[in-house]
Parts: sequence; C-alpha cells; structure tokens
Amino acid sequence: TQLLEQSPQFLSIQEGENLTVYCNSSSVFSSLQWYRQEPGEGPVLLVTVVTGGEVKKLKRLTFQFGDARKDSSLHITAAQPGDTGLYLCAGGNNDMRFGAGTRLTVKP
Amino acid sequence: EAQVTQNPRYLITVTGKKLTVTCSQNMNHEYMSWYRQDPGLGLRQIYYSMNVEVTDKGDVPEGYKVSRKEKRNFPLILESPSPNQTSLYFCASSRDRVATEAFFGQGTRLTVV
Repeated sequence: TQLLEQSPQFLSIQEGENLTVYCNSSSVFSSLQWYRQEPGEGPVLLVTVVTGGEVKKLKRLTFQFGDARKDSSLHITAAQPGDTGLYLCAGGNNDMRFGAGTRLTVKP
Repeated sequence: EAQVTQNPRYLITVTGKKLTVTCSQNMNHEYMSWYRQDPGLGLRQIYYSMNVEVTDKGDVPEGYKVSRKEKRNFPLILESPSPNQTSLYFCASSRDRVATEAFFGQGTRLTVV
C-alpha cells in the first residue's frame, strides 16, 4: 500500500499570507495529482505532475514534484478567502492513492 | 456539461436495510470508482471498474457491492448497512486508472442508525 502523508493537517492563515503544504511518501510515483475540495462538493483536479523536479504554476499556486518522485509541495502566494478548502494529493502507479488532505482556512 | 451525478445526496437509513447509491457519468469514461471519505483518513477506494462487466475490489470493499452493466452507470450497493458504514461517499470517473483527471460526483452523505 502506498501511503501518502500530508502536512499540516490543518492550516488557518490571514488573507495575503503565503503558505506551503506538503505531500510525502516512501514510495516512488509515476504521477502525482493535487485536488481541491470545497464543502459539499467533490474534489476537483488542480494539477498533474509526472516528471521528477517538475514545477507547475497555476496563477498564485505553485506545485513541485520532488526529484525522486516521492514527494510534492503546493505553495500559495498571497492567499485569498477563495483558496479555503481541503487540498488533497493523490499518487499513482497502477492506481491512485489519496492522502488525508490539508484543510486550509484563509480569513479575510 | 461533463459531470458525474450521484443520488441521493443525503440518506439516513437503519441497520440492515438494503440501499443503492446511483452514479452516472456522461463523458464515456471507461474507468469508474467509489470512495468513502472519513475524517483523518482521506479518500479510500471501495471498488473500481475498468470497463463494462469488469469490477474489482479497492482497499475497503467489505460490506459493499457494485455492478457495471452499462458504461455510464456504476451503482454502489449496501446489502445490509451497518453503523460503521456511516460516511461520505464519492463516485468518480476518468479516462484511465492513473494520471488522468478524475471527475467526482457531489457526494452522498450516508448515516446508518
């Protein structure tokens, strides 16, 4: 079983602050995805990374896949209340496994 | 609009009363799966289906059944629900099993009393 650990579990910050959340595993993944889940909704894909060391940007969000393809980070610059949600990482080889998520609250 | 539709959104039932949660996708995806989401445990896969008439167990299949008679539909069946199956359930579909975008339904919150 590929175990994905996400940290921190909870994060509460003020609007305008920067933050980084992490997704770590002892397993090597062929791909890794980040999803955001808002209350009452299903997760929605933000990004897929497949190459070790890859960096992808989505507006104020920066995603990095570790060189060894065992870990990933999500950095948000100048967080806004609309960024509030549960951020899930999912790693895959033969199938996808999800971490437990980081619950982010951005206060105005 | 591409979507995965689950019904019902909310369900309260009693122990032992059979129930079915329906899931339908309109994207012609071959791969569909069911997850349960519990606090601190994340999304755990219950069952998945690679194509019509092809289903297999995920990580937590006990107490659940599925069927895939048509490509678009993938119902989740609880033959004899128990309180430990109280959870938030999600159906998802994707083009492939790995590395392609998974589209999730809006979830079904099930309470078994």
